[in-house]
Amino acid sequence: AQSVTQLGSHVSVSEGALVLLRCNYSSSVPPYLFWYVQYPNQGLQLLLKYTSAATLVKGINGFEAEFKKSETSFHLTKPSAHMSDAAEYFCAVSPPKAAGNKLTFGGGTRVLVKP
Amino acid sequence: EPEVTQTPSHQVTQMGQEVILRCVPISNHLYFYWYRQILGQKVEFLVSFYNNEISEKSEIFDDQFSVERPDGSNFTLKIRSTKLEDSAMYFCAGGWGSSYEQYFGPGTRLTVT
Repeated sequence: AQSVTQLGSHVSVSEGALVLLRCNYSSSVPPYLFWYVQYPNQGLQLLLKYTSAATLVKGINGFEAEFKKSETSFHLTKPSAHMSDAAEYFCAVSPPKAAGNKLTFGGGTRVLVKP
Repeated sequence: EPEVTQTPSHQVTQMGQEVILRCVPISNHLYFYWYRQILGQKVEFLVSFYNNEISEKSEIFDDQFSVERPDGSNFTLKIRSTKLEDSAMYFCAGGWGSSYEQYFGPGTRLTVT
């Protein structure tokens, strides 16, 4: 069975500072990995995905993530936080090369951006 | 840009009542899903649907739950006899399969009293 752990349920960053959100997965084979963002009162929006191509993945809004197989990690970063980045972020995994498979989510990390 | 829509945004019901949550996926999606998020907990998979049948379901998705795609556009989740513990945000999602990501609706908040 696959599982996802997000270290830190809450992260506070200053505007302009680095955003680093941690995600570690457990899977018998390297999975496909996703980061989603949820703004208040909205649904889950895909930020970026890893599906076994380049290990450094760039997404929307200046976010990127790096797949590290040896560390079973897929941490999300953004060099400079903006007030609009305040939201909850979810890491998710699915089995590789299998269309239609379910996503397994981490517990989420709520990001607060201080002016 | 096409979006997944869900109605209603908030549903309040009494324990034991039936509820139907509705979703309109993006038109050319092939795979459809329901997830739920109990307040303060993880987003959990409920069921996936492909080619007009359930392809996978979780332990949560017991006989009280059912899904339907009655007219090729709507995708519904029915809870036959709601319990207090069914109170949650329910998300519908869809995807093409080939690109593996799923597109989520805004959710329906179900409150069972």
